[in-house]
Amino acid sequence: GDSVTQMEGPVTLSEEAFLTINCTYTATGYPSLFWYVQYPGEGLQLLLKATKADDKGSNKGFEATYRKETTSFHLEKGSVQVSDSAVYFCALSGGYQGAQKLVFGQGTRLTINP
Amino acid sequence: DVKVTQSSRYLVKRTGEKVFLECVQDMDHENMFWYRQDPGLGLRLIYFSYDVKMKEKGDIPEGYSVSREKKERFSLILESASTNQTSMYLCASSFYAAGVPFFGPGTRLTVL
Repeated sequence: GDSVTQMEGPVTLSEEAFLTINCTYTATGYPSLFWYVQYPGEGLQLLLKATKADDKGSNKGFEATYRKETTSFHLEKGSVQVSDSAVYFCALSGGYQGAQKLVFGQGTRLTINP
Repeated sequence: DVKVTQSSRYLVKRTGEKVFLECVQDMDHENMFWYRQDPGLGLRLIYFSYDVKMKEKGDIPEGYSVSREKKERFSLILESASTNQTSMYLCASSFYAAGVPFFGPGTRLTVL
């Protein structure tokens, strides 16, 4: 079945460092890919998405490019801030009768130190 | 803005109790979902519903049931709670066909 694998966490960086969180997937067909973020004590929020190969999703300085040849969707940010501390989830959609049923990776906890 | 609300943020129950987790969305979404979130496992789909009174099993439905009598409300039921159901439960909703799911804040359930 479909699956998503994220880099192991936790990840700890200093403010203004460059961030990469790796995500690879296995899927049949042509899934859409997503990054969600979960801040402490809150539910998941959609951070960005890409619906076809070579699409780049971007939001709040974060970017990820849908790479079909490497089945990857790595999350990047050029200069992280303390407020970016959160858990990040990579996900893909497994459509069923029109429902965007998401398959999630295990999550990566990111901590940014001032 | 889409709003997905869950009836409780924290819940403590005893083994064997019947537990109801309620989820309400205010955007007339067709699809609703229940996930559980556990450290190191990400989110796993328990059940989803694509219409009133319709339901489909997700990846881990054992020990759970659901009810959707009205479009805006989707309930998760633990018929006889067990300690291995201690977890964070997240509800989500989306529009039919290609709608991206919006998540509620979650209910952290502890079964003693």
